[in-house]
Amino acid sequence: DTAVSQTPKYLVTQMGNDKSIKCEQNLGHDTMYWYKQDSKKFLKIMFSYNNKELIINETVPNRFSPKSPDKAHLNLHINSLELGDSAVYFCASSQEGRGREVRGELFFGEGSRLTVL
Amino acid sequence: AQSVSQHNHHVILSEAASLELGCNYSYGGTVNLFWYVQYPGQHLQLLLKYFSGDPLVKGIKGFEAEFIKSKFSFNLRKPSVQWSDTAEYFCAVNPNTNAGKSTFGDGTTLTVKP
Repeated sequence: DTAVSQTPKYLVTQMGNDKSIKCEQNLGHDTMYWYKQDSKKFLKIMFSYNNKELIINETVPNRFSPKSPDKAHLNLHINSLELGDSAVYFCASSQEGRGREVRGELFFGEGSRLTVL
Repeated sequence: AQSVSQHNHHVILSEAASLELGCNYSYGGTVNLFWYVQYPGQHLQLLLKYFSGDPLVKGIKGFEAEFIKSKFSFNLRKPSVQWSDTAEYFCAVNPNTNAGKSTFGDGTTLTVKP
């Protein structure tokens, strides 16, 4: 079983459309994240949820809205897509509540490649 | 806020050559340190991590890294690279506080020529 799974893996859409990416982790972790990787491979955090509560919200346009229905799921909805939103979006999870030896160790999903035309 | 600097953007080596990738961070407190690898077309995977204790840590596939606190560095090394090590390598720093976020370096692309 895949530990952190994302769907869809590929998404091609027109500017102005709304799309969602889903993420699920079966590791029992308490924290989930969305990262954006651009064409130069730079990796930037967008959001982080701990036990369904938003704890990190980087400078991201409010067209991006995360939702965490439970601690195993973190979805990303994007409204009014723009060309600059084209990227690979990675979901990740970690166990932050168990002590420093595991803190910050991220388990990544396989990524969702979004192409906006 | 912490920051991470990876000095080498693109490294090209021949098989069996030795590898060292630099990573420096800026943060005044205790940190956890990581190296992740991203093989072509794949997701990031943990190579190795440092939390405390012996500053020389060993990871998977023969990689190791040394934490030098006085230099705020966590360089990645491998004595003899293989073609299959061709990948993107990311250094990451986590400030080891509640809800502390990991900050990634800009990555180093390693190309190993057969």
